[in-house]
Amino acid sequence: KAGVTQTPRYLIKTRGQQVTLSCSPISGHRSVSWYQQTPGQGLQFLFEYFSETQRNKGNFPGRFSGRQFSNSRSEMNVSTLELGDSALYLCASSWMTSRGSNEQFFGPGTRLTVL
Amino acid sequence: QQQVKQSPQSLIVQKGGISIINCAYENTAFDYFPWYQQFPGKGPALLIAIRPDVSEKKEGRFTISFNKSAKQFSLHIMDSQPGDSATYFCATSGAGSYQLTFGKGTKLSVIP
Repeated sequence: KAGVTQTPRYLIKTRGQQVTLSCSPISGHRSVSWYQQTPGQGLQFLFEYFSETQRNKGNFPGRFSGRQFSNSRSEMNVSTLELGDSALYLCASSWMTSRGSNEQFFGPGTRLTVL
Repeated sequence: QQQVKQSPQSLIVQKGGISIINCAYENTAFDYFPWYQQFPGKGPALLIAIRPDVSEKKEGRFTISFNKSAKQFSLHIMDSQPGDSATYFCATSGAGSYQLTFGKGTKLSVIP
């Protein structure tokens, strides 16, 4: 079974631009979560989608948004980029088990650099 | 507010030794405690996880010890190998939640 895939793997943008990152979950997984990883703040939860609905959102400004499509693929968008948005953006997918699984499987991430 | 405190920040262990990483959490509503392993340039990979109804879980050389009353859990890597050199993250989440709260990570170096 293929793992979580993320595109693109690397991205360079300038301040003020916007960016869209894409995530394809493991086949059969309906939940997709996004995380931001930086050396200073570590791994921080952005938001989670299940069946095209945002179920949970982390403490990030409104410039960060996302969506999920009917095939469970997800995109996240960052508008008006700031230097501090430079980070590794990770997507994780999950399935449901009888106990309501929390297990999440991460993709390789998209490395975003804002100049 | 840091809800998950992980220590140490870095760890150097000789090949064959035991690596021990500790985490402490605050929210008693957490009921899922995974450990992730991350190599440079890769996403975190789920290593092992535990729920609070057991005090220990072992998978191969990796063991999680869980102390509910102390709100602490730890990862033990037995017979540590150079290939185990990576950054390890503990995490927590609530019942049925997909929002993981991560510790700051421990960079493990296993020297021959």
